[in-house]
Amino acid sequence: EAEVAQSPRYKITEKSQAVAFWCDPISGHATLYWYRQILGQGPELLVQFQDESVVDDSQLPKDRFSAERLKGVDSTLKIQPAELGDSAMYLCASTPTQGPGAEQFFGPGTRLTVL
Amino acid sequence: KQEVTQIPAALSVPEGENLVLNCSFTDSAIYNLQWFRQDPGKGLTSLLLIQSSQREQTSGRLNASLDKSSGRSTLYIAASQPGDSATYLCAVGDSSYKLIFGSGTRLLVRP
Repeated sequence: EAEVAQSPRYKITEKSQAVAFWCDPISGHATLYWYRQILGQGPELLVQFQDESVVDDSQLPKDRFSAERLKGVDSTLKIQPAELGDSAMYLCASTPTQGPGAEQFFGPGTRLTVL
Repeated sequence: KQEVTQIPAALSVPEGENLVLNCSFTDSAIYNLQWFRQDPGKGLTSLLLIQSSQREQTSGRLNASLDKSSGRSTLYIAASQPGDSATYLCAVGDSSYKLIFGSGTRLLVRP
């Protein structure tokens, strides 16, 4: 069964350091999402891609976060510099199309701890 | 702004009990609603997807209903088992194709 892949699964870093997360969506899925989930809360969208283009990054803290999907397949989310408040689970999801009503499939997530 | 609320925040039941988890949303203009399961420290597993034109979906012991006009959805779990212990998240899909999540219901099924 096809799955969304993410790495690393866990990351511990010190504040002010740079971190990067990688996501490989299900093959053929054109739409890719990055969500952030703070402990005890539901996930919140950070950025949405349609192929290689950013569709929505209104909630992405652009002073320190960046995301890219250069060839419209896998994607990288970067934080530089990391802050204590960035400690969270970072989840990647994908859907076959951008159409409304499409089911989103999630990866296992990357648990980030900033010390 | 769409807001999704899940009640109760936590629930503890004995094994074998039938139970209902509630989800409410403030804007009825949704495209779909998804229920997810999340085990501690893990990603999200999709349980059921209800399109806006549908009233309910069933998968095994799970049944989810949707009432758009009242802004409510329920997830019914029949004959609960200890393996059902997890956090259950409700999310609505809006016109911009993103999901807006509730904070979840943490379920514990006691043997």
